[in-house]
Amino acid sequence: KQEVTQIPAALSVPEGENLVLNCSFTDSAIYNLQWFRQDPGKGLTSLLLIQSSQREQTSGRLNASLDKSSGRSTLYIAASQPGDSATYLCAVAYGQNFVFGPGTRLSVLP
Amino acid sequence: GAGVSQSPSNKVTEKGKDVELRCDPISGHTALYWYRQSLGQGLEFLIYFQGNSAPDKSGLPSDRFSAERTGGSVSTLTIQRTQQEDSAVYLCASSLVARANEQFFGPGTRLTVL
Repeated sequence: KQEVTQIPAALSVPEGENLVLNCSFTDSAIYNLQWFRQDPGKGLTSLLLIQSSQREQTSGRLNASLDKSSGRSTLYIAASQPGDSATYLCAVAYGQNFVFGPGTRLSVLP
Repeated sequence: GAGVSQSPSNKVTEKGKDVELRCDPISGHTALYWYRQSLGQGLEFLIYFQGNSAPDKSGLPSDRFSAERTGGSVSTLTIQRTQQEDSAVYLCASSLVARANEQFFGPGTRLTVL
């Protein structure tokens, strides 16, 4: 059974800091890994998708890496801004569907 | 449409009543997923449709829950005889093809059972 964990559960940083969010999964037989953000009371917004054959993906200030053999992915956010405040979730495509982590709640203070 | 849409955005119902939640996926997406997010909990997979194949119902919590997808497009999640523990946000997502592609989520339906 695939289990996905995320560390830390919550993070509060001052504006401008670079930060790293961690996602771990127990079974490396994944098809891809996707990072999302969720704003309070809203649905999920896709940030980055990394296929199992890829090592990283970049979009603007975001960079996600994938190390399938060790069961880890990191999301790097550069020069954080208050607008980055949200819950960040990772999900692995495993078997017939997706398994989600519990999320990291990020607060970026002005 | 431009994205995944869900209706209603909010639903308040009394215990024991039936409810129907609707999801319109992105046009052309063959895979459709339903998830449930309870307060303070992660996303819980409910059911998955892929094209004309039989749906994967392995995540449905009880036989009070059912879903259908008509014409490979719109999907309806039905909860019969609602209970207070059914209160949650129900999220729908679609992707071009199952697993290999990005999932795109709708805004969700917040269900409150009194």
